[in-house]
Amino acid sequence: EAGVTQFPSHSVIEKGQTVTLRCDPISGHDNLYWYRRVMGKEIKFLLHFVKESKQDESGMPNNRFLAERTGGTYSTLKVQPAELEDSGVYFCASSHATGGVYGYTFGSGTRLTVV
Amino acid sequence: GENVEQHPSTLSVQEGDSAVIKCTYSDSASNYFPWYKQELGKRPQLIIDIRSNVGEKKDQRIAVTLNKTAKHFSLHITETQPEDSAVYFCAASPLDFGNEKLTFGTGTRLTIIP
Repeated sequence: EAGVTQFPSHSVIEKGQTVTLRCDPISGHDNLYWYRRVMGKEIKFLLHFVKESKQDESGMPNNRFLAERTGGTYSTLKVQPAELEDSGVYFCASSHATGGVYGYTFGSGTRLTVV
Repeated sequence: GENVEQHPSTLSVQEGDSAVIKCTYSDSASNYFPWYKQELGKRPQLIIDIRSNVGEKKDQRIAVTLNKTAKHFSLHITETQPEDSAVYFCAASPLDFGNEKLTFGTGTRLTIIP
């Protein structure tokens, strides 16, 4: 089966600009998660979709971050306006409806650099 | 919320020797502990996991041990090989339906010296 696909793989933007990251989960996976790793730190949970609904968005850092999953397929994560501290690697993961944490498959991540 | 600490942050071992990475967690409700390996430029991949109803699990050269009383778990890699070089992350989860996020440690960069 195809894996979790993220793009772009890299993005360099200036402070104040807008960036949109996209994640295509494995087909049929209802659960979709976004995580972020800031340089040298832990991979931190951002939010969890079940189909098109936000199950848990407790990890979203502030209202500059907006995640959507229209139609319950792919998801986008928009950062507007970007700040320097938003730099990091953004990972997406997906799993089956009953898989939860067991069935996580991660994407390769988007490396975001804000300059 | 859960807090996971991971040590060491970097580890170099001679090829053929063993490597041990340790993690501690704070939330006694956590009962699922996976380990992920991330090679350079690639996605994190699950290499082994353990649930709180067992104390040890082994898969070829990799083993994980769990001490629920002390709230710590460890990854053991024996007979290390160059392809074991990567960043390893431990994680913890309560496995509650609807609360399925993973809390990760900060990662250990393992380097195998040929």
